[in-house]
Amino acid sequence: IVMTQSPATLSVSPGGRATLSCRASQFIHSNLAWYQQKPGQAPRLLIYGASSRATGIPVRFSGSGSGTEFTLTISSLQSEDFAVYYCQQYHNWPPYTFGQGTKLEIK
Amino acid sequence: EVQLVESGGGLVKPGGSLRLSCAASGFTFSDFSLNWLRQASGKGLEWVSSISSSSTYIHYADSVRGRFTISRDNARNSLFLQMSALRAEDTAVYYCAVAVAGNRFDPWGQGTLVTVSS
Repeated sequence: IVMTQSPATLSVSPGGRATLSCRASQFIHSNLAWYQQKPGQAPRLLIYGASSRATGIPVRFSGSGSGTEFTLTISSLQSEDFAVYYCQQYHNWPPYTFGQGTKLEIK
Repeated sequence: EVQLVESGGGLVKPGGSLRLSCAASGFTFSDFSLNWLRQASGKGLEWVSSISSSSTYIHYADSVRGRFTISRDNARNSLFLQMSALRAEDTAVYYCAVAVAGNRFDPWGQGTLVTVSS
């Protein structure tokens, strides 16, 4: 299953709202996770089951979608939110597959 | 605190071998599937291999099958990746990660860098 993220880079001002998209090449129900990765760090799980926040993740992070189209929304962007975000499907594995990432940068 | 710590990375020549280790603490290691993933510099994430809690089920990415071997020692709370016939394209940071409910990866270790170069 090929995961495609858009856009590749997203520029948003602090305090603004970011909307990141992820599309699966096949139906994956809600078997999707989102990760955040900052430079020099390991990825961190944000969302699983397409819309469930992982432990300790702030409520400004929300996920939606099912089937083949998914969205990660970050409301009221904080400075620490500027990072690269990846989606990952676990509906049909192996292999687990990831999107190519969206870089969220400060506008 | 749940913690995963990888070790064993380094510089190796093409065709060479390397063994990575991942030491786990803070959770019941034997209850969870474990995975290796990798990330080449400036690139995205790639799943490499998975092993079930009792080592019954093992899977590999096509890119490493036949060259890499995953194993675990539940008595020592440790995960391993034996890598052989290494290629330049295997150069990456290698992460170990717990597969929660067999699907999402949480947490991840800090990674260990493997460089394959002559």
